[in-house]
Amino acid sequence: DAGVIQSPRHEVTEMGQEVTLRCKPISGHNSLFWYRQTMMRGLELLIYFNNNVPIDDSGMPEDRFSAKMPNASFSTLKIQPSEPRDSAVYFCASSPGLYIQYFGAGTRLSVL
Amino acid sequence: DAKTTQPPSMDCAEGRAANLPCNHSTISGNEYVYWYRQIHSQGPQYIIHGLKNNETNEMASLIITEDRKSSTLILPHATLRDTAVYYCIVRVLQAGTALIFGKGTTLSVSS
Repeated sequence: DAGVIQSPRHEVTEMGQEVTLRCKPISGHNSLFWYRQTMMRGLELLIYFNNNVPIDDSGMPEDRFSAKMPNASFSTLKIQPSEPRDSAVYFCASSPGLYIQYFGAGTRLSVL
Repeated sequence: DAKTTQPPSMDCAEGRAANLPCNHSTISGNEYVYWYRQIHSQGPQYIIHGLKNNETNEMASLIITEDRKSSTLILPHATLRDTAVYYCIVRVLQAGTALIFGKGTTLSVSS
């Protein structure tokens, strides 16, 4: 298996633009997680899904952020409109169940 | 989930054992100890987990004290590629629950 695949790897955009990050989890995994990492705040959970259903979105910073999981093999994290403080590395992870989460390589977002 | 305390940084010579401590004095009976690491610019990677018995896999060993209030991750023969941030996480064993990351320990392995 290719692991968790995230795209794009790098994204540079201007303030006010819409940004869409994509994630393909490992086949057969039924949980998917979105994390954000910054120097100031470290790794923090944004939202997670079980069986394509959002379970906890309390980490989503504000209404500008939204996430969807239309099927078991795809998820998106959208920021609209983007702001410079959204600049971070965004990680997607998937899990087959109880024990281990497998992380993607991340998307490095820079909002100018 | 119980809170963990780790030293911010540690150094280790290549080829020597790296012993990374973690304090989790408020751990509950049904909470497991997990270790992940993050090599620079990569996503976190699972290392090992345990409840109360010592555990060993191809990557590391996990030693949990009898009262479960602390644990030690042991990398038996550290290499330069083991330089990373190591996170100790305590959580219940429940499907689809998220990981709560602290600041972790930055391990620097030098030759």
